[in-house]
Amino acid sequence: DAGVTQSPTHLIKTRGQQVTLRCSPKSGHDTVSWYQQALGQGPQFIFQYYEEEERQRGNFPDRFSGHQFPNYSSELNVNALLLGDSALYLCASSVGRVSYNEQFFGPGTRLTVL
Amino acid sequence: ILNVEQSPQSLHVQEGDSTNFTCSFPSSNFYALHWYRWETAKSPEALFVMTLNGDEKKKGRISATLNTKEGYSYLYIKGSQPEDSATYLCAFYSVNQGAQKLVFGQGTRLTINP
Repeated sequence: DAGVTQSPTHLIKTRGQQVTLRCSPKSGHDTVSWYQQALGQGPQFIFQYYEEEERQRGNFPDRFSGHQFPNYSSELNVNALLLGDSALYLCASSVGRVSYNEQFFGPGTRLTVL
Repeated sequence: ILNVEQSPQSLHVQEGDSTNFTCSFPSSNFYALHWYRWETAKSPEALFVMTLNGDEKKKGRISATLNTKEGYSYLYIKGSQPEDSATYLCAFYSVNQGAQKLVFGQGTRLTINP
């Protein structure tokens, strides 16, 4: 049973560019949440997708957007990259819309913005 | 601003010793408290999801308690082993004006010395 997978593993971009990160949830899961982890901090909630719609959103600017596909996989898009967007981006999947269910995390995508 | 605090930030323990650390969270509007273990180069892995005041959960040598009235949870590790070396994250499930999200602490980095 494949767990949560994310691609790419690492990514280097320059300021102003746009990036797309991808996530495939654990088999049987229908909800995907995205988190940003900056160095020395805990993961911060970006948004959650359920039934192909953004259901919840954290305190992130509109430069951060996402999408969920009919197969429950998801993308995170970040436009107009800033140096401060450099972080580990984690995807987590769960069952159902209720967020307090156990989350299953992927290994993350390390984004470096130069 | 919702704060979840973990202490200590880092901990070095001798193999065989027992240890514990703390997660503090808001005592109002409690829904759930999660504990995750995050080993280097791996994905965060759920240890416990706790929802009831006074809850105690156990998984092998690891156990956790929950006090929702005073807003804290303890994680205990009995007879530490090198494989327990990891960052331990707690996360508080927040519901505020319809917005739901997991709010993570910054983690406790545990190192077991052989």
